[in-house]
Amino acid sequence: DSGVTQTPKHLITATGQRVTLRCSPRSGDLSVYWYQQSLDQGLQFLIQYYNGEERAKGNILERFSAQQFPDLHSELNLSSLELGDSALYFCASSDWTGGGETQYFGPGTRLLVL
Amino acid sequence: AQSVTQLGSHVSVSEGALVLLRCNYSSSVPPYLFWYVQYPNQGLQLLLKYTSAATLVKGINGFEAEFKKSETSFHLTKPSAHMSDAAEYFCAVSDDGGATNKLIFGTGTLLAVQP
Repeated sequence: DSGVTQTPKHLITATGQRVTLRCSPRSGDLSVYWYQQSLDQGLQFLIQYYNGEERAKGNILERFSAQQFPDLHSELNLSSLELGDSALYFCASSDWTGGGETQYFGPGTRLLVL
Repeated sequence: AQSVTQLGSHVSVSEGALVLLRCNYSSSVPPYLFWYVQYPNQGLQLLLKYTSAATLVKGINGFEAEFKKSETSFHLTKPSAHMSDAAEYFCAVSDDGGATNKLIFGTGTLLAVQP
């Protein structure tokens, strides 16, 4: 158990809908990262927050957004969903943002868009 | 920009045999390198990481990796495979030399262990 929790574990929805994925980092960790894992794209970095502020952006679509709240939990919002958004979404956390810092991964949310 | 390449999307070994999973990196700055393992229907777990302290890095479950700058490699090895090692293994590099610590992953290697 990494100490990172993600809810829900599974999500099934329809095209055009909007969903919210939630992540609670390990106790004391200030940095949260979101990654997407799909068969065709592999594991891709989406976005990072550090202590409530956006720190880095990767290949995140404009239809996707995220935020980190004062209690340090984070939410990833996916809207106007398409079939290709079906993937495993991971959240990871670390206690700061320096190079070489270990990221601890949650169990993921499996999203299926029908 | 940093990147990693994993040679061999599938590797099969016999129980007790040597495990060798290959990873080559590309980086304009001294890299931070990681190996993660993903068991079926689970998240990623850190096996080991290289942060320039020592070129031979020992990790959990008997795995180790050697950083070779001349070969731009960070291959993962285990002397004797166990059935429980069957999983997918990802090599990753920390981007920007540490500015943000976002991870760039390889495409993964699925390890099968035959009895």
